[in-house]
Amino acid sequence: DAGVTQSPTHLIKTRGQQVTLRCSPKSGHDTVSWYQQALGQGPQFIFQYYEEEERQRGNFPDRFSGHQFPNYSSELNVNALLLGDSALYLCASSWLGQNSYEQYFGPGTRLTVT
Amino acid sequence: EDKVVQSPLSLVVHEGDTVTLNCSYEVTNFRSLLWYKQEKKAPTFLFMLTSSGIEKKSGRLSSILDKKELSSILNITATQTGDSAIYLCAVGVIQGAQKLVFGQGTRLTINP
Repeated sequence: DAGVTQSPTHLIKTRGQQVTLRCSPKSGHDTVSWYQQALGQGPQFIFQYYEEEERQRGNFPDRFSGHQFPNYSSELNVNALLLGDSALYLCASSWLGQNSYEQYFGPGTRLTVT
Repeated sequence: EDKVVQSPLSLVVHEGDTVTLNCSYEVTNFRSLLWYKQEKKAPTFLFMLTSSGIEKKSGRLSSILDKKELSSILNITATQTGDSAIYLCAVGVIQGAQKLVFGQGTRLTINP
């Protein structure tokens, strides 16, 4: 049973550029949440996708956007990158139908903005 | 604003010791409390506690939820060097979505 997968593992971008991160949920899961984890901090909720729609957004600007595909996989897009966007981006999947808060995390994408 | 606070932020003990990690929360629409272990990147799920399941145990790890005190503890007995990691506490809240609000984590180091 494949767990949550994310790509790429690492990414280096320049200020002002745009980036797309990808996530495939655990088999049987239908909901994907994205989190940003700055160094030395706990993960912060960016947004959650279910049935290809954004259900809730955390305290992040519109530069952060996402998408969920019919196969439940998801993308996180960040435009006009700032130095402060450097962080570990984690994707978590869960099964909304079970009304469960058990979220399983992928290995993350380490984004460095120079 | 929802808030989760963990203590201590850092802890160094010797192999074989017992440790207790603390988590307190102040949130609206509480649904559950979760503990994760983060060694390199992916936080690994340990326990989920809810109103209907306030105590969980798995091997040397155990956790209790105190809904009156709005807090939880994670106990690890007979610690091993492999227990060295960051332990994250997260509270599940419902605000249009089932989101997790995380604490800043406790960095646990087990010395041989």
